[in-house]
Amino acid sequence: QQQVKQSPQSLIVQKGGISIINCAYENTAFDYFPWYQQFPGKGPALLIAIRPDVSEKKEGRFTISFNKSAKQFSLHIMDSQPGDSATYFCAASSGATNKLIFGTGTLLAVQP
Amino acid sequence: NAGVMQNPRHLVRRRGQEARLRCSPMKGHSHVYWYRQLPEEGLKFMVYLQKENIIDESGMPKERFSAEFPKEGPSILRIQQVVRGDSAAYFCASSQGRGPNTEAFFGQGTRLTVV
Repeated sequence: QQQVKQSPQSLIVQKGGISIINCAYENTAFDYFPWYQQFPGKGPALLIAIRPDVSEKKEGRFTISFNKSAKQFSLHIMDSQPGDSATYFCAASSGATNKLIFGTGTLLAVQP
Repeated sequence: NAGVMQNPRHLVRRRGQEARLRCSPMKGHSHVYWYRQLPEEGLKFMVYLQKENIIDESGMPKERFSAEFPKEGPSILRIQQVVRGDSAAYFCASSQGRGPNTEAFFGQGTRLTVV
């Protein structure tokens, strides 16, 4: 019940296209859903996060869509650029701590 | 305003040796979290500490692993008698408080290789 399932495992997108990464969870106590971006040899960096009281959040080219009833959330990267090529992790946490449960990651390659 | 500082960045240990990983949180942060990332996998929670207290160690292996966050100085993740399976990237994160609205910032990680 603590798992966060992420798909796809890898994704190839043409420059200017839309990258879509999906995550699903089981634990209804989760109330914070961040997305992290990680480049090789670096630590994860927070991209964008959402709470379950909203269905969508947009920051620049990055949008989170959240479906509480389906227990799913997704990351959309609009106008994808080669510099977006990285591994993306979804995560979830609950309660009074920041103990994050991470998905298994999606390796995104944006081709020029 | 320095970010989360981890050292060393790379650590090589022989089987049976001890590994000590250090984490200095961001200025003003008193909450520290350790995660482990195996190759081609996501990050797994290990332990959550506040100054001088372990809050949640549900992800820590029961043997050989310990963590502390003293009143003064960095947080330390200690692995005794390392084995090849301990080879991984260990990330530390810190936050100002606790709760879902509090962003956790990650360090660059320590990559442990056991030979």
